[in-house]
Amino acid sequence: GQNIDQPTEMTATEGAIVQINCTYQTSGFNGLFWYQQHAGEAPTFLSYNVLDGLEEKGRFSSFLSRSKGYSYLLLKELQMKDSASYLCACMDSNYQLIWGAGTKLIIKP
Amino acid sequence: ETGVTQTPRHLVMGMTNKKSLKCEQHLGHNAMYWYKQSAKKPLELMFVYSLEERVENNSVPSRFSPECPNSSHLFLHLHTLQPEDSALYLCASSHNSPGTGGNEQFFGPGTRLTVL
Repeated sequence: GQNIDQPTEMTATEGAIVQINCTYQTSGFNGLFWYQQHAGEAPTFLSYNVLDGLEEKGRFSSFLSRSKGYSYLLLKELQMKDSASYLCACMDSNYQLIWGAGTKLIIKP
Repeated sequence: ETGVTQTPRHLVMGMTNKKSLKCEQHLGHNAMYWYKQSAKKPLELMFVYSLEERVENNSVPSRFSPECPNSSHLFLHLHTLQPEDSALYLCASSHNSPGTGGNEQFFGPGTRLTVL
């Protein structure tokens, strides 16, 4: 079956760094997405990885290892506004997204 | 209006009611999606339309009926729903080129549905 696993909740301190992990098993693979969703709002696109390695975009970076079925989202210099849920999603062989349940990130002052 | 819009934002209905959710995208995309989001569960893909043709129906109960009259509009018609159908219903759109990935989906703000 197809499965995306990510931690349910994480807590970090303002100004620190946090890494949110995602492991996946899908029928075929056409890339991995990370989305951010603030409470009561729509998910918004953060990053896309299809090749192994690290993609950096400002304070956020995303890493992919296809051989390990593993990705992480790295958030640096955390700000209170980064408190949100972070959704990992894989695109399968039919180009449909398979979603994880999301990681709720709580930032403390 | 920009991006993806959804109406209504909140909806409370009884099990015998008929209502419709509306989604409109202003991004020139050629694919649109309906998702169901329940607390602490993964997003569930319900329907996909590409070039106004339905390409996916993930065993969704017939009490949910989609309609896509053109590439910018998507409806979800609801009738005789159950309390377990209470959830956030999200619409999304993307620009899909057949056989390619990396086309991120843009989401609307969702309709919070409560079935009494």
